[in-house]
Amino acid sequence: EAQVTQNPRYLITVTGKKLTVTCSQNMNHEYMSWYRQDPGLGLRQIYYSMNVEVTDKGDVPEGYKVSRKEKRNFPLILESPSPNQTSLYFCASSPQVGGGASDTQYFGPGTRLTVL
Amino acid sequence: GENVEQHPSTLSVQEGDSAVIKCTYSDSASNYFPWYKQELGKGPQLIIDIRSNVGEKKDQRIAVTLNKTAKHFSLHITETQPEDSAVYFCAASIMRYSSASKIIFGSGTRLSIRP
Repeated sequence: EAQVTQNPRYLITVTGKKLTVTCSQNMNHEYMSWYRQDPGLGLRQIYYSMNVEVTDKGDVPEGYKVSRKEKRNFPLILESPSPNQTSLYFCASSPQVGGGASDTQYFGPGTRLTVL
Repeated sequence: GENVEQHPSTLSVQEGDSAVIKCTYSDSASNYFPWYKQELGKGPQLIIDIRSNVGEKKDQRIAVTLNKTAKHFSLHITETQPEDSAVYFCAASIMRYSSASKIIFGSGTRLSIRP
């Protein structure tokens, strides 16, 4: 089944404890992206990647890191999480026909992160 | 910076009636406008999109209109059904063939269909 998977789905952690949220897609998509969803703010792009080893900042990159060593994986890293990073996080991928975000994006099921 | 405003934030309509959600965008270079539907506990899913060389697009009960001059685009759902209840997001992005494209989402509209 073609899908985007994220792990974990739920995570409660404490301030300053490094964590990684994994994202994997099995559709051979070139474009991948991370978003956070907060009430009243919609979806905001954190980072995106056009292809392996190519990443760029979205609108809210502060406090996050990403890597794209393989085409299928795009982990989101929080080196020192803070309470303001408590949010619902989505990973998405796109075949990049015509250019990355300007094509259908397939979203994962989401990761609900709470930072105490 | 780029911005997408979406209205209303909540919308309740009687089953069978129509629903309209409106968005405005700030970057005149935007040329791709998707609409996503998010059901409870799930990730957003594309329901319809429109590119800037088209003024209107329809898919069964769903239609999207685009006014590039006014920088407005709207989602129209006719003959609403209970399964249309969800959060809807509009978005705008700039499509570039040789470089990255960013996407900006609206803040979402929670649509409720009353039986």
